[in-house]
Amino acid sequence: DVKVTQSSRYLVKRTGEKVFLECVQDMDHENMFWYRQDPGLGLRLIYFSYDVKMKEKGDIPEGYSVSREKKERFSLILESASTNQTSMYLCASGDLGTIGGELFFGEGSRLTVL
Amino acid sequence: DQQVKQNSPSLSVQEGRISILNCDYTNSMFDYFLWYKKYPAEGPTFLISISSIKDKNEDGRFTVFLNKSAKHLSLHIVPSQPGDSAVYFCAASEQGGSEKLVFGKGTKLTVNP
Repeated sequence: DVKVTQSSRYLVKRTGEKVFLECVQDMDHENMFWYRQDPGLGLRLIYFSYDVKMKEKGDIPEGYSVSREKKERFSLILESASTNQTSMYLCASGDLGTIGGELFFGEGSRLTVL
Repeated sequence: DQQVKQNSPSLSVQEGRISILNCDYTNSMFDYFLWYKKYPAEGPTFLISISSIKDKNEDGRFTVFLNKSAKHLSLHIVPSQPGDSAVYFCAASEQGGSEKLVFGKGTKLTVNP
């Protein structure tokens, strides 16, 4: 079974703190993604990466950065957390662009910024 | 500009009846469509997909229908069970093109016993 593991299920941080969200996948997928999910807004893409050290902005990259030093690991960084970044963060991996491609998601990280 | 639209935020059905979840898209380049199911405090899980070369795909109680001319797809769940209560996301992608999925905002399905 494909496994996408997110390092923290629940985090509480203060405004201005630096936040790291880690994600590891074990299926040797080329592509990895970070989404956030908010009520009424669905899943919105923050950043994605199609190769080591490569990254592409998604729909809402402002206030976030990412790092992909190894194929299996994709990190989301909030340089200075703000209350409007309180959300559920979802990491995913997959080989899209091929027939039958789908994304596999981690269990999510619920971040609260006070 | 929402490329994938799920216009019903919620749907409530009785156990044993049919649930029909709808999804519309605007990008004619989309040619692969997926449905994901999400329980609270968990990540979405893949449910069923359909390629644009088909108009129907079935997997047990779940069937997805695609109407390319109308840019519309629907997910049918028959019979509905209380365990099907979740948020359902429709998603679309371009094969061999953009390597990302575009998601709708989701429909919360409640199946009442």
